[in-house]
Amino acid sequence: DQQVKQNSPSLSVQEGRISILNCDYTNSMFDYFLWYKKYPAEGPTFLISISSIKDKNEDGRFTVFLNKSAKHLSLHIVPSQPGDSAVYFCAAGDAGGTSYGKLTFGQGTILTVHP
Amino acid sequence: DAGVTQSPTHLIKTRGQQVTLRCSPKSGHDTVSWYQQALGQGPQFIFQYYEEEERQRGNFPDRFSGHQFPNYSSELNVNALLLGDSALYLCASSRGRSQAGELFFGEGSRLTVL
Repeated sequence: DQQVKQNSPSLSVQEGRISILNCDYTNSMFDYFLWYKKYPAEGPTFLISISSIKDKNEDGRFTVFLNKSAKHLSLHIVPSQPGDSAVYFCAAGDAGGTSYGKLTFGQGTILTVHP
Repeated sequence: DAGVTQSPTHLIKTRGQQVTLRCSPKSGHDTVSWYQQALGQGPQFIFQYYEEEERQRGNFPDRFSGHQFPNYSSELNVNALLLGDSALYLCASSRGRSQAGELFFGEGSRLTVL
């Protein structure tokens, strides 16, 4: 049972353009969502998060949008840079429950930004 | 400031053997979580340790066990290895039993079971 899904295995974007990565979830108990970036031979690194009480959170070039009714979130990167090329994981947690740091991850999307 | 460190980085075992992976959390962190990442998949939660006790467990068999030491470092043990246990094992640390917030991950230990 895949509770967090990233349906696009890969995305290719031109430098300077917008990258949009999508994520869907099924568990209504999830109330905290995060995006992680992973380079080869490194562990995932935290990028940005959003609580279910918000529908948008912005940090520099990165913006996460949350649509609770659709159980969908997206990560926008504007403008995209070649250094953004990495695997992006969507993750979800149940902050109000007893999960205490247990995250459920999607399968990841490989983003390639071409110069 | 040292981040999360894991050892060994790579190891090869054969079916039926046992393996121990080690993790030192980021300075100031006292909670350690372990994740398994199979090829082409996202990380899957194995379990979490806080105050030297297993606090939460994912959908993994009892062959997977762990330990947390007084200095907050942790071990993951896997017994009776199966081919399907081949994966990248990630350790993540955080401060306290806080909500599902930002976790700091190590680079992982890549286990190959032959």
